[in-house]
Amino acid sequence: DGGITQSPKYLFRKEGQNVTLSCEQNLNHDAMYWYRQDPGQGLRLIYYSQIVNDFQKGDIAEGYSVSREKKESFPLTVTSAQKNPTAFYLCASSIDRQAAQHFGDGTRLSIL
Amino acid sequence: GIQVEQSPPDLILQEGANSTLRCNFSDSVNNLQWFHQNPWGQLINLFYIPSGTKQNGRLSATTVATERYSLLYISSSQTTDSGVYFCAVEPPRDTGNQFYFGTGTSLTVIP
Repeated sequence: DGGITQSPKYLFRKEGQNVTLSCEQNLNHDAMYWYRQDPGQGLRLIYYSQIVNDFQKGDIAEGYSVSREKKESFPLTVTSAQKNPTAFYLCASSIDRQAAQHFGDGTRLSIL
Repeated sequence: GIQVEQSPPDLILQEGANSTLRCNFSDSVNNLQWFHQNPWGQLINLFYIPSGTKQNGRLSATTVATERYSLLYISSSQTTDSGVYFCAVEPPRDTGNQFYFGTGTSLTVIP
């Protein structure tokens, strides 16, 4: 079945450690996105990519990095520079910019 | 940046009741989407509706872009409708497909 797969579902990070969240889609979508959701809040855009080998910062990109080496993959690295990384991270994709976004099931990141 | 306000913030309904959720936005928008987030955190796209009216079963949505608002109607509510409903808009000045989310309406449908 086509869809967006995020892994892992739960992730724990130690202080000073980088962690990478996986997002894979088999929908043949060009655009992919990473959002952060804090409790009781809406989603905020971290990074987005319209095409392979290109990506743009969203409103809260500081402390995060991404890559888009393949169309189907858009991994997000939460670096040690992100001082408050505990949140729910959601990946989305759309066929192009004029289309609806579809989401994965999310990764919950916590600090040990 | 563009402001997105949703109302009401919380709503409790008896099963079978109807409701209207509202999304106001502070600037013109290229696109607007409604999402439902279930209690497990899964986000489902309900409507992609930059203007006009769309219907999907018991749900319908109307966007009046010139007046900067959108409405989501839920009829004959069911307990499975519980969750948080988000409105997200894309302002025209952006070069990318960047959507800005409201803080949501939390809906609880009681049997």
